[in-house]
Amino acid sequence: QQQVKQSPQSLIVQKGGISIINCAYENTAFDYFPWYQQFPGKGPALLIAIRPDVSEKKEGRFTISFNKSAKQFSLHIMDSQPGDSATYFCAASKGSGYALNFGKGTSLLVTP
Amino acid sequence: NAGVTQTPKFQVLKTGQSMTLQCAQDMNHNSMYWYRQDPGMGLRLIYYSASEGTTDKGEVPNGYNVSRLNKREFSLRLESAAPSQTSVYFCASRPGLAGYNEQFFGPGTRLTVL
Repeated sequence: QQQVKQSPQSLIVQKGGISIINCAYENTAFDYFPWYQQFPGKGPALLIAIRPDVSEKKEGRFTISFNKSAKQFSLHIMDSQPGDSATYFCAASKGSGYALNFGKGTSLLVTP
Repeated sequence: NAGVTQTPKFQVLKTGQSMTLQCAQDMNHNSMYWYRQDPGMGLRLIYYSASEGTTDKGEVPNGYNVSRLNKREFSLRLESAAPSQTSVYFCASRPGLAGYNEQFFGPGTRLTVL
């Protein structure tokens, strides 16, 4: 069964707007939550990651918000740019676990 | 450094044919993974190798076998391909199981089974 649920499936945002993608998980043993970015024809690449000991992590225009009690985390892309158009995957794992559990992905289109 | 490399980039098979997907990494990573990506399904783990000499099943192992040839190389074999195995296959590597390390992905192999 899908251990990480991601929404929305697709998202269209105007240039300069805020893109928000949400994920939820059930397994309370998860303690590592990365976001991957994938461009067409390429493999996924790590964008930003968070551990549950903090509620927010920011790197440039990208921010992860984490709500441990709700078992939810989200990616915010500020000042979205056409170059951000890609598929975004959230994931979760145990820090010492063996593999990432991925959400189904969100296709983001940023219009000029 | 080339990172994670995969061959071939594209492959078309007929049902029942066999083939091996190759993966190599030059980052001296201990752990390696094979995922498949299908539309609307995200990435699902097929097999992984925690370290040289070990392999374990992931979420969707049926119809596949793997070999960790050495620390650098991890191959995925389809013994008798089926149309349900049409997918994009990604290999990934990671420094090790412990800690919170990034998984690095290869560029993928797009496989079509007719």
